[in-house]
Amino acid sequence: GNSVTQMEGPVTLSEEAFLTINCTYTATGYPSLFWYVQYPGEGLQLLLKATKADDKGSNKGFEATYRKETTSFHLEKGSVQVSDSAVYFCSLTSGGYNKLIFGAGTRLAVHP
Amino acid sequence: GAVVSQHPSRVICKSGTSVKIECRSLDFQATTMFWYRQFPKKSLMLMATSNEGSKATYEQGVEKDKFLINHASLTLSTLTVTSAHPEDSSFYICSAWTADPAFFGQGTRLTVV
Repeated sequence: GNSVTQMEGPVTLSEEAFLTINCTYTATGYPSLFWYVQYPGEGLQLLLKATKADDKGSNKGFEATYRKETTSFHLEKGSVQVSDSAVYFCSLTSGGYNKLIFGAGTRLAVHP
Repeated sequence: GAVVSQHPSRVICKSGTSVKIECRSLDFQATTMFWYRQFPKKSLMLMATSNEGSKATYEQGVEKDKFLINHASLTLSTLTVTSAHPEDSSFYICSAWTADPAFFGQGTRLTVV
């Protein structure tokens, strides 16, 4: 079945450091790929998305490219801020009705 | 933008009682909503797909008699945890799609004591 694998956290960085969170997937067909972010005590918010191969999603300085050849959708940001501290979930659509399958989540902690 | 509202945000109940959680799409109609459960420091597990006007579709391993889902209108789905036990304590999140993408409720933290 479809699945998503994320790098294990937590990831701890200093402010202005470069961030990469790896995400690979297994899927039949052509799923859409998403990154969601969950700030402490809140629900999930869409961060960015890509709907077909080679698409690049970007938002708030974050970006990820849909790589069909490597089945990856790695999240990157050139310079993180303390306010980026959150849990990041990679996900894809699966099956009918746009069901979302999530990776395990990666906790990011950014220190001043 | 589209908003999904979930209520209550927190609930504490006694073991053996039932708890109802509401999920509303505030500015769009949702024929389908999804219910997820999130364990501490874990990912979201899809529990069921809620279909307006018909029975919910449950994922493998989810007890349909324990987690009752009702989707009586195009803007409201409810999840009732029946005869709750401490192991049902968790963070429950609903989501709904409009054209794109999925929007999530704020989540409900259920604690069964």
